[in-house]
Amino acid sequence: AQKITQTQPGMFVQEKEAVTLDCTYDTSDPSYGLFWYKQPSSGEMIFLIYQGSYDQQNATEGRYSLNFQKARKSANLVISASQLGDSAMYFCAMREGLVSGNEKLTFGTGTRLTIIP
Amino acid sequence: DAGVIQSPRHEVTEMGQEVTLRCKPISGHDYLFWYRQTMMRGLELLIYFNNNVPIDDSGMPEDRFSAKMPNASFSTLKIQPSEPRDSAVYFCASRRGRIRETQYFGPGTRLLVL
Repeated sequence: AQKITQTQPGMFVQEKEAVTLDCTYDTSDPSYGLFWYKQPSSGEMIFLIYQGSYDQQNATEGRYSLNFQKARKSANLVISASQLGDSAMYFCAMREGLVSGNEKLTFGTGTRLTIIP
Repeated sequence: DAGVIQSPRHEVTEMGQEVTLRCKPISGHDYLFWYRQTMMRGLELLIYFNNNVPIDDSGMPEDRFSAKMPNASFSTLKIQPSEPRDSAVYFCASRRGRIRETQYFGPGTRLLVL
């Protein structure tokens, strides 16, 4: 079974609209972290936002927020007021076993977001 | 603060040649990771170090791949001999050893083996 599933290979969104990128995960470990990274066409991986499994509130970082629904095992990224510079690949990732010391990040296959002017 | 530094940014080589990729992690970070990204396989963790010690190299594809971290500020990933299927983007990432800390990635090395 896939640990991280991103079901949207590509999305087109009008500039200034909000966009939601889907991510579901699979783990039986109670202690885990969820991450979103952005990879623009230049290739670098840019960290956007983190959500811990025990966090009571959804994470927010500027225009980015994470819609964390633990029972459904989903961690969707919401970008408000999208900008042309948001066009990029977006990867969801998970690190299980935070307390036990697991260091591996498992990445999804990514969603290519294109913002239309 | 300087981010993770990788060199070279681009490398073109011929099959059979030795390739060495270099990484300087963020100062103060305890962990260093090497990843490979391809269209077919996505992002794969190759190996990671904690305090300069290799912890898990189960992702290293073959004996042709080796990685070292002689000190806290430098790591290398070596491919000898290189093959066309090694063509990929290789990322180095580092992080501090705290639970909520994320991994910060370098700009990557784009390797093409002809």
